[in-house]
Amino acid sequence: DADVTQTPRNRITKTGKRIMLECSQTKGHDRMYWYRQDPGLGLRLIYYSFDVKDINKGEISDGYSVSRQAQAKFSLSLESAIPNQTALYFCATRQAGIETQYFGPGTRLLVL
Amino acid sequence: GENVEQHPSTLSVQEGDSAVIKCTYSDSASNYFPWYKQELGKRPQLIIDIRSNVGEKKDQRIAVTLNKTAKHFSLHITETQPEDSAVYFCAATGNEKLTFGTGTRLTIIP
Repeated sequence: DADVTQTPRNRITKTGKRIMLECSQTKGHDRMYWYRQDPGLGLRLIYYSFDVKDINKGEISDGYSVSRQAQAKFSLSLESAIPNQTALYFCATRQAGIETQYFGPGTRLLVL
Repeated sequence: GENVEQHPSTLSVQEGDSAVIKCTYSDSASNYFPWYKQELGKRPQLIIDIRSNVGEKKDQRIAVTLNKTAKHFSLHITETQPEDSAVYFCAATGNEKLTFGTGTRLTIIP
């Protein structure tokens, strides 16, 4: 869905480095989510936000932090990257009262 | 929290045959069950969904059934075509969060 964008699309970093992944949406949705996808494990929820002042931990939040800078922007940070954070990261959005989530194109992250 | 199990993990069917993917969930409060299709290198895309007050929903060659008592739901694809080859994920919603199954890689054999 072109209304949900993620930057960068690919990133290689080294162990211990700080990295930020960004998600922007023009759909006007208030709910935003960050997921991690690993082979054979499906998509697992890292953090989610219902509005700028509401941030919630998901299933696997350890080692990650988030910032909701505006309704349209939701960033995911790895304060000190480690190799087992190598994965495909997806942002998703939805509108309150409507269950359908719309996914961004994903960011492929490799931590060496 | 919610736990969603999905089977099989891989499925190969002849073109034109039907494919069935099954999921079970644990939280009886879950009330929304979407299915996503993910092609290689692409984002997950919603293909069909069902709510807990409905037992079956169909959209052309795709159908989903839900058994609330048994807490399981299934995706049925009929008359499969090569473009159906992808990874399919089921999910269940509780408290505005989606919990995904681990995915089924469907391969259509020409």
